[in-house]
Amino acid sequence: GALVYQYPRRTICKSGTSMRMECQAVGFQATSVAWYRQSPQKTFELIALSTVNSAIKYEQNFTQEKFPISHPNLSFSSMTVLNAYLEDRGLYLCGARGRNTGQLYFGEGSKLTVL
Amino acid sequence: GQQVQQSPASLVLQEGENAELQCNFSSTATQLQWFYQSPGGSLVSLLSNPSGTKHTGRLTSTTVTKERRSSLHISSSQTTDSGTYLCAIASNMGYKLTFGTGTSLLVDP
Repeated sequence: GALVYQYPRRTICKSGTSMRMECQAVGFQATSVAWYRQSPQKTFELIALSTVNSAIKYEQNFTQEKFPISHPNLSFSSMTVLNAYLEDRGLYLCGARGRNTGQLYFGEGSKLTVL
Repeated sequence: GQQVQQSPASLVLQEGENAELQCNFSSTATQLQWFYQSPGGSLVSLLSNPSGTKHTGRLTSTTVTKERRSSLHISSSQTTDSGTYLCAIASNMGYKLTFGTGTSLLVDP
């Protein structure tokens, strides 16, 4: 079946350092990958949408300088949280759209704690 | 923009009881997803149901597109069902899912 695997599941980093998280599509090819964040006590918000062969589109309040994304092929995407601070804490969720079905598949999220 | 409201905000049940969770949204949804978030924070995608009725295990989702609402029915609840249930929708075939704030479910033994 189709799965989205996110790594790491949990990470703790020191304030001012960076953390890279990965999103792997297993069993299908992902034409697009979306990254979301759920901050403490808040619901999920879209960070950016990455489509193969197109520019990555960031939502308001999120920038490439802060959250650079790499989407080199139809199976893999990574996003880095640069210079993380307390306000970057939360659960980062990856969603991928299947090339053949158009269906969305989601990972379990990568939880970031910043000390 | 799109708004998603879930009710009730929280629910406490005895094991074995059924749960009915509601999701109302402000614009036509082409995609509707129900998620379960564990107390530890991990997210599980439960059902994709933009219209009609879908079943999986003890879960039944019914979406009435015209009325902009969806429900998630959990039958014979178990303590392991405790957690937060999130509804998320998109108004087109894009990715901008708008999430509700969730229903927090506690199932007592």
